Amino acid sequence: DIEMTQSPSSLSASVGDRVTITCRASQGISNYLVWYQQKPGKVPKVLIYAASTLQSGVPSRFSGSGSGTEFTLTLSNLQPEDAATYYCQQYNSAFLTFGGGTKVEIK
Amino acid sequence: QVQLVQSGGEVKKPGASVQVSCAASGHTSDNYGITWVRQAPGQGLEWMGWINVKTGNTFSAQNFQGKFTMTADKSTSTASMELRSLTSDDTAMYYCARVALIGDLVVIPAVNWGQGTLVTVSS
Repeated sequence: DIEMTQSPSSLSASVGDRVTITCRASQGISNYLVWYQQKPGKVPKVLIYAASTLQSGVPSRFSGSGSGTEFTLTLSNLQPEDAATYYCQQYNSAFLTFGGGTKVEIK
Repeated sequence: QVQLVQSGGEVKKPGASVQVSCAASGHTSDNYGITWVRQAPGQGLEWMGWINVKTGNTFSAQNFQGKFTMTADKSTSTASMELRSLTSDDTAMYYCARVALIGDLVVIPAVNWGQGTLVTVSS
């Protein structure tokens, strides 16, 4: 199975900051990557798919980039409601592995 | 809007099996999949497997092969999963989610999620 490694595992930032989360695949996955946001006690929600396509209804301060083995999720102008854990997942293979998650806290 | 409704929470003894169902509504095509994801308390998301509802093809994570079975009934738009030989490590919230497909191609692995089913394994 393809392994997905996220970094950092957690971060703390202030409102208005720009935050970047990285996801690395153990082998090339083209652009078959999705990012989810999960708030405490809630179900995960799709933010971005195909590495850079914003899901309908998701604020434009979320953006994704990358291809092959390295991907980033960027949160521009961090807001209090962005406190959550973010996960990447690859779907290049039929075996759809997740990254370990990045917890974002607001200072 | 597609909705997924899962069956209620379960408490099981070690060694037992558990079944969780996932009823889909609001979709216009049977060309989709259902994926199963679990989340142990305080832990991350763990992908278990997915089933193509139209073809019945299944794909399971290596960790779960032999322990986990998925089925889907197109006529009732209901998917189910069974997890066998339960241990305390299987205590988790279990989610189903819809896999968006175009033909056989996965477009989004988990676009709509069920509410989750808590499975507790305890003697």
